[in-house]
Amino acid sequence: DAGITQSPRHKVTETGTPVTLRCHQTENHRYMYWYRQDPGHGLRLIHYSYGVKDTDKGEVSDGYSVSRSKTEDFLLTLESATSSQTSVYFCAISNRDRGPHEQYFGPGTRLTVT
Amino acid sequence: SQQGEEDPQALSIQEGENATMNCSYKTSINNLQWYRQNSGRGLVHLILIRSNEREKHSGRLRVTLDTSKKSSSLLITASRAADTASYFCATDAGGADGLTFGKGTHLIIQP
Repeated sequence: DAGITQSPRHKVTETGTPVTLRCHQTENHRYMYWYRQDPGHGLRLIHYSYGVKDTDKGEVSDGYSVSRSKTEDFLLTLESATSSQTSVYFCAISNRDRGPHEQYFGPGTRLTVT
Repeated sequence: SQQGEEDPQALSIQEGENATMNCSYKTSINNLQWYRQNSGRGLVHLILIRSNEREKHSGRLRVTLDTSKKSSSLLITASRAADTASYFCATDAGGADGLTFGKGTHLIIQP
């Protein structure tokens, strides 16, 4: 497995609380991504990063923010969690600077908002 | 919105049979990729086919790409119980936002 970890792996939180998910990589890849996976929707891109402090929005970015202060860490924050953000969140990395390249995925974080 | 759409949504076959999954997409691509996801796990890359390629093989996997029809197929030959998983196609249009995934085909291999 590529060196990607996500923390926490499971979290239950209440509506209205802030939540931060962490993705950590040891591959020194420039590109990092946050997806959410929901039944019937596949994977949808939330935010992505193409370098330290360089981030941009994906398809479903409302209610989420990200930060990348170091190459190895990409944080996803739910500013005020809602039940619609109950999902499984995946981080991925890519070395696409070297041409067409696959993404490597972390193990996922299962988030439940009650 | 989803770029790739897999067909069928679910497929159940007997061990040893071949499994074919299809993917259709809407816009121009640089390459198309297939991923597998076992239950409760992250996605794992299987194979990448570039837009100027028509067919690619990797072990028991065969992928075809028809850019004129904006479609791809994944064939798994001589299926095994361990092939039970969800399979996703993903298109790469070359932007920094990376891949756009379909909703997946859930494959069940009956022993």
